[in-house]
Amino acid sequence: GAGVSQSPSNKVTEKGKDVELRCDPISGHTALYWYRQSLGQGLEFLIYFQGNSAPDKSGLPSDRFSAERTGGSVSTLTIQRTQQEDSAVYLCASSLSAGNTEAFFGQGTRLTVV
Amino acid sequence: DAKTTQPTSMDCAEGRAANLPCNHSTISGNEYVYWYRQIHSQGPQYIIHGLKNNETNEMASLIITEDRKSSTLILPHATLRDTAVYYCIVRANRDDKIIFGKGTRLHILP
Repeated sequence: GAGVSQSPSNKVTEKGKDVELRCDPISGHTALYWYRQSLGQGLEFLIYFQGNSAPDKSGLPSDRFSAERTGGSVSTLTIQRTQQEDSAVYLCASSLSAGNTEAFFGQGTRLTVV
Repeated sequence: DAKTTQPTSMDCAEGRAANLPCNHSTISGNEYVYWYRQIHSQGPQYIIHGLKNNETNEMASLIITEDRKSSTLILPHATLRDTAVYYCIVRANRDDKIIFGKGTRLHILP
């Protein structure tokens, strides 16, 4: 596609439910990033995938959070047993990762846990 | 942790040049300076990056001091649509995650 696509754009879920957020990166981009942005706050790094290397999971806030990237393309961020503090916009980005390249961001998924 | 320091907020009159400073005194020799911005309710947008030479593109200019410990992003003729949070980031060459700091909230005043 022309840009990074995220779905759904909005998700409302009940506390304790699991949710899956999807990211379709730009075709050919080997690097993929997930961030979280709570209301009025900055971007919090969650996880980074680069090609076939082991992902950098250092930003995941708890073991309720996990992410996969299948076939080096689409990525899914899963949050288990959601809590109200998980409410935020979840942003995905991708980049070529060939030398110094810019990252392209999607429009995000707004997650609301009620 | 973010490796940069930026003012929390700045104002600039519409039509004037907006100069956004960034300190990165611990920058390493292999780290580039990147600038992104985030307009309200949108994902961040890449603006420009550089290593040690000044850079210019259709959006902005990047001035990096000779010792590379600070830089300035220049929007030559600011418009109301340039109101956003501007993030200065240092990042090593390839295969490195991008860590955002708190950025500078730029208000363009009519």
